[in-house]
Amino acid sequence: DGGITQSPKYLFRKEGQNVTLSCEQNLNHDAMYWYRQDPGQGLRLIYYSQIVNDFQKGDIAEGYSVSREKKESFPLTVTSAQKNPTAFYLCASSLLLQGPTGELFFGEGSRLTVL
Amino acid sequence: AQSVTQLDSHVSVSEGTPVLLRCNYSSSYSPSLFWYVQHPNKGLQLLLKYTSAATLVKGINGFEAEFKKSETSFHLTKPSAHMSDAAEYFCGGATSGGSYIPTFGRGTSLIVHP
Repeated sequence: DGGITQSPKYLFRKEGQNVTLSCEQNLNHDAMYWYRQDPGQGLRLIYYSQIVNDFQKGDIAEGYSVSREKKESFPLTVTSAQKNPTAFYLCASSLLLQGPTGELFFGEGSRLTVL
Repeated sequence: AQSVTQLDSHVSVSEGTPVLLRCNYSSSYSPSLFWYVQHPNKGLQLLLKYTSAATLVKGINGFEAEFKKSETSFHLTKPSAHMSDAAEYFCGGATSGGSYIPTFGRGTSLIVHP
């Protein structure tokens, strides 16, 4: 079945360590996104990519990095520079259209906890 | 700039009574608007979307939303709440005519009492 796969679902990290969250989609979507979710704050955009080998910062990119070497993959690295990384991370994808647009498809999320 | 505002952080209803979750948008262009539902520790699932074809949009699980341009609103309704509707709901949107960068409201937690 087509969809978005995020892994791992749960991840624990010690302070000072970098961690990478995986996001893979087989929907042949052009655009991919990473959101961070904290209680009461909704979804905040970290990074997005609309084409392979190109990506843009979202509203809260500091302390994060991404790559888009393949259309189907958009991994997120949470670096030690991220001051408060404990959160629920959501990956999404969409078709990129010029007219009325398609919706986002979301993965099941990855919960990162810093010990 | 596009923005979406959910007017209530929590809504509490009794099972069998109507549900109303409110969402306003601001946009310089014709928007695409969506409602998503999220159950605990899960991703977001699309309930319905508005893309200018019809102002009253019907979605899954008995939900519907009406696009009102004069009020810049896109409220989500359901005639009769079910216990399984208890979840977090997000209104989201984007403008056409440029890069598609979706934005979301802060979410509304729907509580359903037996």
